[in-house]
Amino acid sequence: AQSVTQLGSHVSVSEGALVLLRCNYSSSVPPYLFWYVQYPNQGLQLLLKYTTGATLVKGINGFEAEFKKSETSFHLTKPSAHMSDAAEYFCAVSAQAGNQFYFGTGTSLTVIP
Amino acid sequence: GAVVSQHPSWVICKSGTSVKIECRSLDFQATTMFWYRQFPKQSLMLMATSNEGSKATYEQGVEKDKFLINHASLTLSTLTVTSAHPEDSSFYICSARGELWEQFFGPGTRLTVL
Repeated sequence: AQSVTQLGSHVSVSEGALVLLRCNYSSSVPPYLFWYVQYPNQGLQLLLKYTTGATLVKGINGFEAEFKKSETSFHLTKPSAHMSDAAEYFCAVSAQAGNQFYFGTGTSLTVIP
Repeated sequence: GAVVSQHPSWVICKSGTSVKIECRSLDFQATTMFWYRQFPKQSLMLMATSNEGSKATYEQGVEKDKFLINHASLTLSTLTVTSAHPEDSSFYICSARGELWEQFFGPGTRLTVL
């Protein structure tokens, strides 16, 4: 079975500061991991994904995430927050053997000017 | 890139009526589509997995007679909310599975039941 825990339902950062959104997963098989962003009343946009290979994954809009198996984590970071980064962020896990996505509860990111 | 559309994007209906939501993969074939439900300020919850030409697989707690799913072609899946009630008001999002494990999400349909 797979599950995702996102620590911190709300995160606030100043414009230009580091963004760190936390995601821990549980999976009985090697996981596929994803980060999605959702703007109000819109669908999900894929930021980045980890399937196999390099554990540091770079995505769109300057985001990146590192898969740490020993810590069962896949935290999302961005060196410098921009006002346009304010949105809801979801971490998701999928098993190799199956294809359902299991989402975390989401983290709402606020960027303070 | 792969595009998934949903129609309508927004619907208001009276209690007791049925509403159909379409999910289309525009530039690829999707043998598998997924339906999710999202309540305000909450995460997406998988409702069912829809496979072309076969019956949908529903997650525990989802009423299959209330949420009818049809996946009649490789590019179209429909979700019909039967006898809708105010508690069915939600944001419904579909996704279509492309190659490997990537899912492409539709823009969502906001359902309001009066």
